[in-house]
Amino acid sequence: NAGVTQTPKFQVLKTGQSMTLQCAQDMNHNSMYWYRQDPGMGLRLIYYSASEGTTDKGEVPNGYNVSRLNKREFSLRLESAAPSQTSVYFCASTGFGNSNQPQHFGDGTRLSIL
Amino acid sequence: GEDVEQSLFLSVREGDSSVINCTYTDSSSTYLYWYKQEPGAGLQLLTYIFSNMDMKQDQRLTVLLNKKDKHLSLRIADTQTGDSAIYFCAENQAGTALIFGKGTTLSVSS
Repeated sequence: NAGVTQTPKFQVLKTGQSMTLQCAQDMNHNSMYWYRQDPGMGLRLIYYSASEGTTDKGEVPNGYNVSRLNKREFSLRLESAAPSQTSVYFCASTGFGNSNQPQHFGDGTRLSIL
Repeated sequence: GEDVEQSLFLSVREGDSSVINCTYTDSSSTYLYWYKQEPGAGLQLLTYIFSNMDMKQDQRLTVLLNKKDKHLSLRIADTQTGDSAIYFCAENQAGTALIFGKGTTLSVSS
C-alpha cells in the first residue's frame, strides 16, 4: 500500500527559482492538505482541498499556490522561492472534508532555499 | 491565534512509563489525535479518541481525556528505546484541518 506519496524527497533551490511539489494518494480520499514543519513550530497548514475542485487557504498561504489536479493529486507550487520557505513539507489526506477521519501523511519533502 | 500546548521534552529510562500531556483549545473538537514522528520520517497516527470518551487503551498506549480542562494525555507503558520520537497532539478545529501542537520529544535511555 503506497498511501500518500510525495516527490521529490529532497530539493535545493536558489532564491527566486520556482518549483512544484507533487503529492498523490491512492486511498480514494476526498480531502488533501499541505503542511510545513519548522523546528519548534510544529506543523502549520498552508492550503487544503476539502474535495476535488476546491482549495482553501490555511494558516500560512503566502508565497504558495496549489492545484487539485484530480481526486488523487494535490500539488504545491512555489513561484519565487525565498529562504524563509526552507522547511519540510508534508502532504496529508483524509476521507472526509470535516477531518473527523484521521489524516494520513506522506514522508515529506525536505526543501532548502539558498 | 489559540495554540495547542505541549511540553517540549521528556526523558525517561527504558521500562518506565512515559506520560505526554497536551492542552487543546476547541471544546467542540470531535476527535483528538496523537501522532508519532521518527527522525527523517512523516507523521504516523498512533491513536485517537472521540470526544465523548474519557479513556482509550490500545496495547501499551493509554489516552486520557479531560474535556472540562481541555487536557489530553498519552501514557506509554514499559517505554522502549524504539519509542524515542517526537509526539504530536492534534485537534480538529472548525471541521477543516488539524491543529497541531509543537511536539514533545521523547528520549528513552537504556
